[in-house]
Amino acid sequence: EDQVTQSPEALRLQEGESSSLNCSYTVSGLRGLFWYRQDPGKGPEFLFTLYSAGEEKEKERLKATLTKKESFLHITAPKPEDSATYLCAVRSNTGKLIFGQGTTLQVKP
Amino acid sequence: SAVISQKPSRDICQRGTSLTIQCQVDSQVTMMFWYRQQPGQSLTLIATANQGSEATYESGFVIDKFPISRPNLTFSTLTVSNMSPEDSSIYLCSVHPDNTDTQYFGPGTRLTVL
Repeated sequence: EDQVTQSPEALRLQEGESSSLNCSYTVSGLRGLFWYRQDPGKGPEFLFTLYSAGEEKEKERLKATLTKKESFLHITAPKPEDSATYLCAVRSNTGKLIFGQGTTLQVKP
Repeated sequence: SAVISQKPSRDICQRGTSLTIQCQVDSQVTMMFWYRQQPGQSLTLIATANQGSEATYESGFVIDKFPISRPNLTFSTLTVSNMSPEDSSIYLCSVHPDNTDTQYFGPGTRLTVL
């Protein structure tokens, strides 16, 4: 069964304290791994797509990496405005997106 | 990318009534999806609504409860019928543009059923 697990569920950081969010997956035929950011009361905002092991994508303070079993979202020197829920999703052979439960990040000034 | 708008942005409804949510996209797309996000939970796919065919529902969701229309390539509606408090959720419209692997989401409709 296709499954996505994110850890930790919640993460509190001080401004400037770098860390990583984990997304572990099992899927039949990976057709892309996606990272989204979701602010309270809003829809998910697309961040990155990764397709193959070893691939990396960067955007400002965020960097996403991919292995055969997991993806990491690295946050370097975070700022309070990075506070949000980060969602990981995979697309399998069925074409559907399967979401993890998300990691809620809080960055304190 | 795709810009998606939803109406209403939020509503408070009485038990037993129905609410229709509208989704408008700024470009023509074949594949549209409706998701539900219950409080504190992640996204669950309700159905896939492709223009020109009947909507395909996921396990646990039925057409009588969540009828969907897809009259053209830029618009869709989801109706939540005979509502109960358990239907209180955020309902999200999503599209997968034809020329990309990325799936984009609308701002959501926050529904509260009393």
